[in-house]
Amino acid sequence: DGGITQSPKYLFRKEGQNVTLSCEQNLNHDAMYWYRQDPGQGLRLIYYSQIVNDFQKGDIAEGYSVSREKKESFPLTVTSAQKNPTAFYLCASTHRGEFYNEQFFGPGTRLTVL
Amino acid sequence: DQQVKQNSPSLSVQEGRISILNCDYTNSMFDYFLWYKKYPAEGPTFLISISSIKDKNEDGRFTVFLNKSAKHLSLHIVPSQPGDSAVYFCAASYTGKLIFGQGTTLQVKP
Repeated sequence: DGGITQSPKYLFRKEGQNVTLSCEQNLNHDAMYWYRQDPGQGLRLIYYSQIVNDFQKGDIAEGYSVSREKKESFPLTVTSAQKNPTAFYLCASTHRGEFYNEQFFGPGTRLTVL
Repeated sequence: DQQVKQNSPSLSVQEGRISILNCDYTNSMFDYFLWYKKYPAEGPTFLISISSIKDKNEDGRFTVFLNKSAKHLSLHIVPSQPGDSAVYFCAASYTGKLIFGQGTTLQVKP
């Protein structure tokens, strides 16, 4: 039963604390992505990785960090430097290559910073 | 600089009628376009896509039209059903990344 899992579904943290969001996929996809969704806005790209041990900043990378040590996993750390961390975070994955455009999304994590 | 725009935040249609969702883009280098459907507190699910070399793609009740000269694409849902009520995002692909529009909330009334 292949897919993308994100945990936890809801996460609460105090201001000033770092927090790591999990994303795991068993689809054998090469590329993985992190997006953030805010009310009334589309999905904005935070970071992406097209191969293991390599990743690139997206449009809103400030205050976030990632790692890609395994093909299946792409955790996102929301640091205390992120000014407005409360949001809905979505992880996605796809095969790498020009013929693969469709990204598959996980169920998302709602992060609330108190 | 919003490269992909969905100018209508919301749309309401009657069950059985046609729903038309619109999307405009600015970057002529986009080579693939996709529509996603999203329910609250869930991840988006892929709906339908179109390559930039085509002008129409159909899948059941869903049809996507691409007008490259106008840099415009649209999603037609016929007939609309209450279960179609969701947020619809258009996205454009370039160099392995997807650029998303702001989304349009579709409400289909019974």
